[in-house]
Amino acid sequence: EDKVVQSPLSLVVHEGDTVTLNCSYEVTNFRSLLWYKQEKKAPTFLFMLTSSGIEKKSGRLSSILDKKELFSILNITATQTGDSAVYLCAVDGGRSSNTGKLIFGQGTTLQVKP
Amino acid sequence: DGGITQSPKYLFRKEGQNVTLSCEQNLNHDAMYWYRQDPGQGLRLIYYSQIVNDFQKGDIAEGYSVSREKKESFPLTVTSAQKNPTAFYLCASTPYPSSGANVLTFGAGSRLTVL
Repeated sequence: EDKVVQSPLSLVVHEGDTVTLNCSYEVTNFRSLLWYKQEKKAPTFLFMLTSSGIEKKSGRLSSILDKKELFSILNITATQTGDSAVYLCAVDGGRSSNTGKLIFGQGTTLQVKP
Repeated sequence: DGGITQSPKYLFRKEGQNVTLSCEQNLNHDAMYWYRQDPGQGLRLIYYSQIVNDFQKGDIAEGYSVSREKKESFPLTVTSAQKNPTAFYLCASTPYPSSGANVLTFGAGSRLTVL
């Protein structure tokens, strides 16, 4: 069965800390891995990763994929209270890999305290 | 501005009643999806549609029904057969589901509470 597992499930840090969120997957017909940020409502897209070892970066956020070990990490440096959210990892793949449906992990809830 | 509009944002219903959640997109996307979100379980796929007049069951379709009569619209009906309907429902769409560069755009969600 295809699955995506995120860890930790929740995390509390203080402003300025650096955090690393983990996502491991076992998905047939892997095509890409995506990270989303969800603040109460609609998840918003952060990164899409398709190739191993190539870091994607946007401001204080960065992410990398390891297709050999089947995992990805999302790093957030110098955290701010506005980073508080649920971070979702999803994989495009599975038995119906040409349908566009994503397989999601449970999400990591990040709380950044002032 | 292009996007996905879900309505209503909040909905309360009594047990045994069917409810319909609306999802409209003006992005001209071919594929649309309904996900359910429960605490600690991430997003689970209910139904999806890649073209008008065609849709497929996802992982948890029991107790739900959909239609896709227009490209822009993909309403979800939560029937009385759904045993635990209280949840947050998210609609999403994408232009190229088979491309491999598939980024879903999400609506703001509908929170259904069954009393």
